[in-house]
Amino acid sequence: GAVVSQHPSRVICKSGTSVKIECRSLDFQATTMFWYRQFPKQSLMLMATSNEGSKATYEQGVEKDKFLINHASLTLSTLTVTSAHPEDSSFYICSAIHPGYGYTFGSGTRLTVV
Amino acid sequence: GDSVTQMEGPVTLSEEAFLTINCTYTATGYPSLFWYVQYPGEGLQLLLKATKADDKGSNKGFEATYRKETTSFHLEKGSVQVSDSAVYFCALSVGRGSQGNLIFGKGTKLSVKP
Repeated sequence: GAVVSQHPSRVICKSGTSVKIECRSLDFQATTMFWYRQFPKQSLMLMATSNEGSKATYEQGVEKDKFLINHASLTLSTLTVTSAHPEDSSFYICSAIHPGYGYTFGSGTRLTVV
Repeated sequence: GDSVTQMEGPVTLSEEAFLTINCTYTATGYPSLFWYVQYPGEGLQLLLKATKADDKGSNKGFEATYRKETTSFHLEKGSVQVSDSAVYFCALSVGRGSQGNLIFGKGTKLSVKP
């Protein structure tokens, strides 16, 4: 089957620091990956579409300088939350499209900024 | 624009009860429809999908039928178990077959009591 590995699963950081979240497609190549943010008791909101070898496409209202996305290879996309603040605390989920299985999601990262 | 509306939770049921979670959608094209399940602290898993009108998706005892005339994709299960406790998301995608951007409903939390 298709597996997307997301790391770390949980992270606690101090306000003002940066945090990097990795998303890997383990047994397939993904030219496109997606990053979502989920607020408590709410749905997933698409933040950005990560494209291998080119700039990410951000959704309206998402600060691209705050949420840096890098998709340097066909199996890895990273999301860096820069100068994190408590309001950035959330659950972040990545996904990739597997040719046969369609959308495949990572297990998510719980970010807590203190 | 395209959107998904699903019944608000939480839904609390006793074990072996019948489950229905309503989902309706609006879309300009011909969407594919999905139900995803999110267990506590985890990412999303595809539960079932349907790609055209009158298709029925089924998995693990859950079913949903793509009703174009009522623009609905209600999730049903005849006898729920405690292990079905999770948050369920209805979603659609338009374009590129079943691999266009996913649009999610707000999710419905299901709690099943023994």
